[in-house]
Amino acid sequence: EAGVAQSPRYKIIEKRQSVAFWCNPISGHATLYWYQQILGQGPKLLIQFQNNGVVDDSQLPKDRFSAERLKGVDSTLKIQPAKLEDSAVYLCASSLTGSSNQPQHFGDGTRLSIL
Amino acid sequence: AQSVTQPDIHITVSEGASLELRCNYSYGATPYLFWYVQSPGQGLQLLLKYFSGDTLVQGIKGFEAEFKRSQSSFNLRKPSVHWSDAAEYFCAVALVNSGYALNFGKGTSLLVTP
Repeated sequence: EAGVAQSPRYKIIEKRQSVAFWCNPISGHATLYWYQQILGQGPKLLIQFQNNGVVDDSQLPKDRFSAERLKGVDSTLKIQPAKLEDSAVYLCASSLTGSSNQPQHFGDGTRLSIL
Repeated sequence: AQSVTQPDIHITVSEGASLELRCNYSYGATPYLFWYVQSPGQGLQLLLKYFSGDTLVQGIKGFEAEFKRSQSSFNLRKPSVHWSDAAEYFCAVALVNSGYALNFGKGTSLLVTP
């Protein structure tokens, strides 16, 4: 089966600019996660969707980050305006149902550099 | 709060030697525990998981992990390391109250020498 697809792979922008990342989960996967991975750290959950509804966005900096999954399939994560501390790899993951026994499958990530 | 600690930031082992990566968790109930591996520029690949039952869990690529409730540990082991095992290894606990999203440790970077 095709894996989780993310684009772009790399993005370089200046601070205060806006940027958007796209994720297409594995077909049929109801649950989609966005994680932020800062260099030298483990991934940190930003937001979790179940179909097109938000399950958890408690760690999403809502003043600058937004995410949507309008049709319950692919998802977009946006940052506006970007700050230097947003430099990180943004990972998208999906699982079949979001229950405990369903593993999360990760995409290769988008590496964001803020100048 | 549920948390994961990986005490070793870097580990170096010789090819063919045994490997043990440490992971300690903080959680009130029986946790759902995972080990993931990340190669440079790649996403995370699941090595193994523990939910309940047998405390010794077998995974892919010859890895295994042992859940020890008394020590709050879930250490990853491999009897003989290959050069291709060089990567970043992450231990994670599922956040049961948050849709089973994963809370990751900071990772252990494994270097394999000839």
